[in-house]
Amino acid sequence: KAGVTQTPRYLIKTRGQQVTLSCSPISGHRSVSWYQQTPGQGLQFLFEYFSETQRNKGNFPGRFSGRQFSNSRSEMNVSTLELGDSALYLCASGPSGGLTEAFFGQGTRLTVV
Amino acid sequence: QKEVEQNSGPLSVPEGAIASLNCTYSDRGSQSFFWYRQYSGKSPELIMFIYSNGDKEDGRFTAQLNKASQYVSLLIRDSQPSDSATYLCAVHASGGSYIPTFGRGTSLIVHP
Repeated sequence: KAGVTQTPRYLIKTRGQQVTLSCSPISGHRSVSWYQQTPGQGLQFLFEYFSETQRNKGNFPGRFSGRQFSNSRSEMNVSTLELGDSALYLCASGPSGGLTEAFFGQGTRLTVV
Repeated sequence: QKEVEQNSGPLSVPEGAIASLNCTYSDRGSQSFFWYRQYSGKSPELIMFIYSNGDKEDGRFTAQLNKASQYVSLLIRDSQPSDSATYLCAVHASGGSYIPTFGRGTSLIVHP
C-alpha cells in the first residue's frame, strides 16, 4: 500500500513569490491535513480537508490556503512568501480526520530567501 | 490558547533502562492523546494513542493518561539506541473537532 506522497521534497523560493505544495493521500483516505514545522514553533496545524471541503482551520494568516480535489489529492498554496515561512510542511492523510489512523508524508522543505 | 507542554530535554538514558516522557495539556475537555516519534529530518511516526484514563501497553511502549491531572506520559522499556529521537505529544481539541495541538517534543538520547 503506497504511503502519503508529498511533492516536491525541497523548494527554494524568493521572498514575495508564491508556492504550491502537493499531497497525495493513501488510497481510500478522504481526510488530508496540513502542518507547518519550525524549530521555533514546533508542529502547528494549518488546515484539514475532508471530501473536498475545508473542515478545520488553524491560526494562520490568509496567505496560507488549500484545496482538495475529488480524488482526495490536496494542494497547499502560500502567497507573498516571507522569510518566516521557511519550514517543513507536512501533510497527513486519514480515513476520518485529525490524527486518528493518520499517516504523515515525508514533507516538503521550503526555504525562503 | 490550547497548550501542550513537554520538557525539551535532552533526556539521556542508558541502553536497557526505562525512559519516561511526560506531557501536560491545558484543554480539560481533550479526549484523544497521541505519541509520535520523529527522527531528525524525517516525518512523525505514530507510536500509540490513548483515549481512556489508565495505561495502554504496546510492546515496549506504555502510554499513561490521567485526565484529572491533565497529564499523559510515555514509558519506553528496555530502551535501545534506535529509540533516540524526538517524541511529540499531541492532543485533539475538545468538542469533537479534529484540530490537533502538538507539544514541542522531548529529545531522547539512549546511550550504549
